[in-house]
Amino acid sequence: QSALTQPASVSGSPGQSITISCTGTSNDVGGHNFVSWYQQHPDKAPKLLIHDVSDRPSGVSFRFSGSKSGNTASLTISGLQAEDEADYFCASYRDTNTPVIFGGGTKLTVL
Amino acid sequence: EVQLVESGGGLIQPGGSLRLSCAASGFTVSNNYMSWVRRAPGKGLEWVSLIYSTGSTYYADSVKGRFTISRDTSRNTLFLQMNSLRAEDTAVYYCARYSVLMTGLDNWGQGALVTVSS
Repeated sequence: QSALTQPASVSGSPGQSITISCTGTSNDVGGHNFVSWYQQHPDKAPKLLIHDVSDRPSGVSFRFSGSKSGNTASLTISGLQAEDEADYFCASYRDTNTPVIFGGGTKLTVL
Repeated sequence: EVQLVESGGGLIQPGGSLRLSCAASGFTVSNNYMSWVRRAPGKGLEWVSLIYSTGSTYYADSVKGRFTISRDTSRNTLFLQMNSLRAEDTAVYYCARYSVLMTGLDNWGQGALVTVSS
């Protein structure tokens, strides 16, 4: 059950946009539209940001958007704010035996 | 309001057992897919186990044969029985609801710290 591949870290200045990639295989990211993204601040529980590749739950800022091309999904955060500094994880459905597989996580630093 | 509250974490010696509980409110555990996810120190999130509304259960290879997920309908509570614990099981364990409507883990508990050490 290999994890999906994310960059270990990304950074950006306030107001800028950044994109975090999440690469899997045709068995997970590429084979289903069941990709989700989570934000986790230190010592807090993860929070669902994006589901089904590009949909935002109620209450999540429009600054967060998701997309997918082939075996790679992406999370874009526009208009970076200091409070966006956190760890971000992608996840995908793989199959019945592995309904959730996470990416390794990306630490976002707001400069 | 949906709420998940974990309990049962603590310090346990290698080879020991521990049972985590996750009390739910605002929805019915048995009508939903429920999952356990952990985060070890300095590591990322790792899916541990999931129980479908049908009662079918699935586990990550790293815990298969050692951990058991279950639920108590009368108490609206999710459990994770952890046996033969190893140092690498040290982590914060979260229970979460897996939403079939949103295909993601839409509600999370605050987490329970499990430390496996002699």
